[in-house]
Amino acid sequence: SAVISQKPSRDICQRGTSLTIQCQVDSQVTMMFWYRQQPGQSLTLIATANQGSEATYESGFVIDKFPISRPNLTFSTLTVSNMSPEDSSIYLCSVEKRLANYGYTFGSGTRLTVV
Amino acid sequence: TQLLEQSPQFLSIQEGENLTVYCNSSSVFSSLQWYRQEPGEGPVLLVTVVTGGEVKKLKRLTFQFGDARKDSSLHITAAQPGDTGLYLCAGIANAGGTSYGKLTFGQGTILTVHP
Repeated sequence: SAVISQKPSRDICQRGTSLTIQCQVDSQVTMMFWYRQQPGQSLTLIATANQGSEATYESGFVIDKFPISRPNLTFSTLTVSNMSPEDSSIYLCSVEKRLANYGYTFGSGTRLTVV
Repeated sequence: TQLLEQSPQFLSIQEGENLTVYCNSSSVFSSLQWYRQEPGEGPVLLVTVVTGGEVKKLKRLTFQFGDARKDSSLHITAAQPGDTGLYLCAGIANAGGTSYGKLTFGQGTILTVHP
């Protein structure tokens, strides 16, 4: 199964600035998924990143606010742009496990606080 | 939009007690997964159920998929403090095979097991 390295693990940022979160996977994967999660709550899908094409965003999320790069089959970045305190959250990347149980592997998350 | 209603949202029990978490939907899912998440980590897959009526056991945890593949339950026998965490159900609505379908998450259940 895939192992995901996500960084930074946490950051405190000033409002109006941008933060780029990186996810590195130890094997090639077709799809990478980016989620947002409030502590102790469920996950909300932001977008799906497919190598070689533009990311597909879910309702309520736009490319200008959350630009995503997917330069190759093992790496992706999510940028949180022009941050406000409402963007304070945990951001996670995920890939599908290539196993019969169809599970997904998640990074350990980036805890973002915007002040 | 497929929705998963997960209940209860909070569970606080004593060590040795049994508990059940429920996930219900009006939609059919090709598979349903259960994850456990600890603070500062991403969700970790516990099990995937794919066949209606399927029951899977993982030590003291029993997972069941409803006959119509619209609901699932997680039962923990003789809970221990190490079971404490956020439990999430997640379904894939797209049919078949090695699906790249999006995960739909339930709201999550925060379980606290007191010694």
